[in-house]
Amino acid sequence: AQSVSQHNHHVILSEAASLELGCNYSYGGTVNLFWYVQYPGQHLQLLLKYFSGDPLVKGIKGFEAEFIKSKFSFNLRKPSVQWSDTAEYFCAVNPWGGATNKLIFGTGTLLAVQP
Amino acid sequence: EAQVTQNPRYLITVTGKKLTVTCSQNMNHEYMSWYRQDPGLGLRQIYYSMNVEVTDKGDVPEGYKVSRKEKRNFPLILESPSPNQTSLYFCASSLNTYQPQHFGDGTRLSIL
Repeated sequence: AQSVSQHNHHVILSEAASLELGCNYSYGGTVNLFWYVQYPGQHLQLLLKYFSGDPLVKGIKGFEAEFIKSKFSFNLRKPSVQWSDTAEYFCAVNPWGGATNKLIFGTGTLLAVQP
Repeated sequence: EAQVTQNPRYLITVTGKKLTVTCSQNMNHEYMSWYRQDPGLGLRQIYYSMNVEVTDKGDVPEGYKVSRKEKRNFPLILESPSPNQTSLYFCASSLNTYQPQHFGDGTRLSIL
């Protein structure tokens, strides 16, 4: 079955530290990839997305992600985190190259940034 | 303002009492979905719809029904709710599968 794995369930960082959150998926065909963020008490918002082209994508608030097809990975990075980045982060995969709006989410990574 | 509106936001009810959570979007989006969010499990897709009268099962459809009679509305129906359906539910819509999904503010259901 298709699945999305986020290896880090909880991450605690100090401000200005660098961040990398792992995401691996199990589907072998064409995929569309997303990272969403959920701030406390809020709904999900899109951070960035990858459909094709340059495997390094830049999103909002200084986040970026790299698609490595051979590793089935789409890791999220940020060079220097801020306290306001405290949130839960979800990787999501749309299999079948967007033929439907089926979306499979990872279990999420809770990031706490200490001032 | 572009938005996805869910009602109710909170509901406490009892086992077996049918309930409907409404979802409406004002962006003329083709695609709509329902998710449930549970601690440690992330978001799991319940049902999705690609157009009026076109719906399909997601990963956890058991115990739920949906309908898509109009483009803007996508209600989630629990015919006979059970305690294992206690969860936070999100409705989402998108213009197409290449655009990000816009999420509603969530509906917290507690089934006793």
